[in-house]
Amino acid sequence: DVVMTQSPLSLPVTPGEPAYISCRSSQSLLHRNGNNYLDWYLQKPGQPPQLLIYLGSNRASGVPDRFSGSGSGTDFTLKVSRVEPEDVGVYYCMQALQTPYTFGQGTKLEIK
Amino acid sequence: QVQLVESGGGVVQPGRSLRLSCAASGFSFSTYGMHWVRQAPGKGLEWVAVIWNDNKYYGDSVEGRFTISRDNSKSTLYLEMNSLRAEDTAVYYCARGNYGSGNYFDPWGQGTLVTVSS
Repeated sequence: DVVMTQSPLSLPVTPGEPAYISCRSSQSLLHRNGNNYLDWYLQKPGQPPQLLIYLGSNRASGVPDRFSGSGSGTDFTLKVSRVEPEDVGVYYCMQALQTPYTFGQGTKLEIK
Repeated sequence: QVQLVESGGGVVQPGRSLRLSCAASGFSFSTYGMHWVRQAPGKGLEWVAVIWNDNKYYGDSVEGRFTISRDNSKSTLYLEMNSLRAEDTAVYYCARGNYGSGNYFDPWGQGTLVTVSS
């Protein structure tokens, strides 16, 4: 199984400042079609997860452009350019290349 | 709008069985793969199973005990859970699988809580 490792696990951020979350996979997520099968989800308090980013860098419909994803192979980053209070929650990366699909441990973003 | 509503959760004794349902609306259910994902209390997300076309795949921890199925005429997804263990206690979410561009889960239902306890 592909192991996903996120860091940090806790991320206090001042509103308006940027936030970075790292996600590493134990195997390359680069498909032969040239796409990286890495998704990012946000679980806000008391809610189910919601899709933020798919294929490593594609924002889902309705996701603000302050969220961006980058990376390739085994190293990926989610950036929130200017954190807002509504961005609090737990962020998960997930590899979607092969079953069993696996998630990172989650990164809890909180407002300072 | 696209909506997924889970039901069937509750308290069940270890070793017993339970069936979860996920009612879908607002999209052509039969043309999508569907997933179950669970979250133990205070823990992270764990993928459980997927069904697309006639193919079914399972996570390691549920393989051989859980069965995913669907009734396209009812736009409903199911998860039959047998030989339940305390470690199966979790909120179970269903999610639509999207494979056109990439492979991602969107949207998710609100979840149903399963508690395995004597």
